[in-house]
Amino acid sequence: AIQMTQSPSSLSASVGDRVSITCRASQAIRNHLGWYQQKPGRAPKLLIFAASSLQSGVPSRFSGSGSGTDFTLTISSLQPEDFATYYCLQDHDYPLTFGPGTKVDIK
Amino acid sequence: EVQLLESGGGLVQPGASLRLSCAASGFTFTNIAMNWVRQAPGKGLEWVSAISGGGLSTYYADSVKGRFTISRDDSRNTLYLQMNSLRAEDTALYYCARRGWSYGDYSWGQGTLVTVSS
Repeated sequence: AIQMTQSPSSLSASVGDRVSITCRASQAIRNHLGWYQQKPGRAPKLLIFAASSLQSGVPSRFSGSGSGTDFTLTISSLQPEDFATYYCLQDHDYPLTFGPGTKVDIK
Repeated sequence: EVQLLESGGGLVQPGASLRLSCAASGFTFTNIAMNWVRQAPGKGLEWVSAISGGGLSTYYADSVKGRFTISRDDSRNTLYLQMNSLRAEDTALYYCARRGWSYGDYSWGQGTLVTVSS
């Protein structure tokens, strides 16, 4: 199975900060990766698909990059509504695997 | 608009069975791969199972293989997860997820809670 690691596991940041979260796959997965935001008590919300494509309706401060094994989610200017947990998901092969998550909270 | 509505969760004892359902609307269900994903309380997301469009292929996480069975009824636009021999570690919120047209693209329901406890 493809293992997904994420770093950091948590971070504290201020409104307006630039934030980056990385995800690494244990083998090459091309661009077969999505990024999700989850708030407490809510279902995950798609932010980025195919590693770098912005989902319709998602603010442009979110961006994704990477291919192969290394991927990054960047929030260019953190907003109050962005405090949440972020997960990457690979669907290059079954079993699908998620990163362990990155919790972003307020400094 | 894609809508996924899970049902069938509840409190059961270890060793019991439960069948989850996911009613889909807003898209052509027949051709779309569907998944179950779960989240234990306070934990991360764990993929459980998938079924191809048309139902010819099924996939399972090692943690549920041999105990859970995924199926679909395209005439009812409904996805199922039959869960047997339930264990305490199966306690989680179970989400139904529709694969979109691109890699990494999934739409989610709101989930149904399964609690396995004596």
